Amino acid sequence: GQQVMQIPQYQHVQEGEDFTTYCNSSTTLSNIQWYKQRPGGHPVFLIQLVKSGEVKKQKRLTFQFGEAKKNSSLHITATQTTDVGTYFCAAPDYKLSFGAGTTVTVRA
Amino acid sequence: EPEVTQTPSHQVTQMGQEVILRCVPISNHLYFYWYRQILGQKVEFLVSFYNNEISEKSEIFDDQFSVERPDGSNFTLKIRSTKLEDSAMYFCASSEGGGNQPQHFGDGTRLSIL
Repeated sequence: GQQVMQIPQYQHVQEGEDFTTYCNSSTTLSNIQWYKQRPGGHPVFLIQLVKSGEVKKQKRLTFQFGEAKKNSSLHITATQTTDVGTYFCAAPDYKLSFGAGTTVTVRA
Repeated sequence: EPEVTQTPSHQVTQMGQEVILRCVPISNHLYFYWYRQILGQKVEFLVSFYNNEISEKSEIFDDQFSVERPDGSNFTLKIRSTKLEDSAMYFCASSEGGGNQPQHFGDGTRLSIL
């Protein structure tokens, strides 16, 4: 199955700062999905990227799919305490191969 | 907004006992999934289910595991003889279509094996 690697594993951010989490695959992906899991919660679908080089924005979140469709990134600007949680990229097939996630904590 | 519901929220079971985790997927969804998440680790795929049969399963999903859709609404995961290492959060998910469709997750069942 598809394997996706995510870095960094942990991200400690000062409130108001920006950060980026990266997702890399050893194989070309047909598409990639991003999920967010709040502490104690369940994964919640954020977005899906399909096209090579695609960029999508959701308010302060910017998602990008690489030209070769082997990597993706999530950039969050002006981090807020509501951004706390673990962000997973996932390579869909009939199953989701989740990355290990980037766990984000925010210093107020 | 429709939700995936899971029961119970927490299950405590003695090692070696059978356990059944229950899920009610979103009503118009056709694909169903089980995942597990050991504390502090990533979400791991167990099995996908479509048209009353398993479409894919992982190496974790061995002969101790089985899934069933006993009626038009429920989707169950059975672990036949539980082991300590089965302790985890188990998430059910469903999607309208397969493959590339977004999956909607339930709140999970925390399974604790003693």
